Amino acid sequence: GQNIDQPTEMTATEGAIVQINCTYQTSGFNGLFWYQQHAGEAPTFLSYNVLDGLEEKGRFSSFLSRSKGYSYLLLKELQMKDSASYLCAVSFHMDSSYKLIFGSGTRLLVRP
Amino acid sequence: ETGVTQTPRHLVMGMTNKKSLKCEQHLGHNAMYWYKQSAKKPLELMFVYSLEERVENNSVPSRFSPECPNSSHLFLHLHTLQPEDSALYLCASSASDSYEQYFGPGTRLTVT
Repeated sequence: GQNIDQPTEMTATEGAIVQINCTYQTSGFNGLFWYQQHAGEAPTFLSYNVLDGLEEKGRFSSFLSRSKGYSYLLLKELQMKDSASYLCAVSFHMDSSYKLIFGSGTRLLVRP
Repeated sequence: ETGVTQTPRHLVMGMTNKKSLKCEQHLGHNAMYWYKQSAKKPLELMFVYSLEERVENNSVPSRFSPECPNSSHLFLHLHTLQPEDSALYLCASSASDSYEQYFGPGTRLTVT
């Protein structure tokens, strides 16, 4: 079956670095997305990984290892506004149709 | 300002009512999606439309009926809903079904 796992909650300190992990089991893998969702708001796109390796975008980086079914989102120089849920999502094709499943999200709390 | 709008933002309806949710995207995208987000559950993809054709229906009950009259508009028609259908319903769009999605603000639905 298809499955995504990520930690439920994490806490980090302002100015620090935090890594949020995501593991998945799917067939027909297309790519992996990371979204940020603040409480009461819609998700916003952070990154998309198709190939193995690290994608850097400002303070945020995302890593993918397709052979291990593993990704992480790295947040540097944490700011209070980074307190949010971070959603890992995997896209794949099955029976010629497009599929996208989300993990339950990791709620990150940034403390002063 | 988001390029994806949704109306209404809040909706309370009885189990015998019929209502519709509307989504409009101003981004020139070709794919549109409906999601359901319930408390403490992962974001669930309900329907996918690509070039106005439904390409995915994730085993959604028939009391939810989508309609995509053109690439900019998406509707979700609701009838004889159940209290457990109360949730945040999010619309999203993307350039194609393998690209990052842009979410609307959502409709908070309460079924009484």
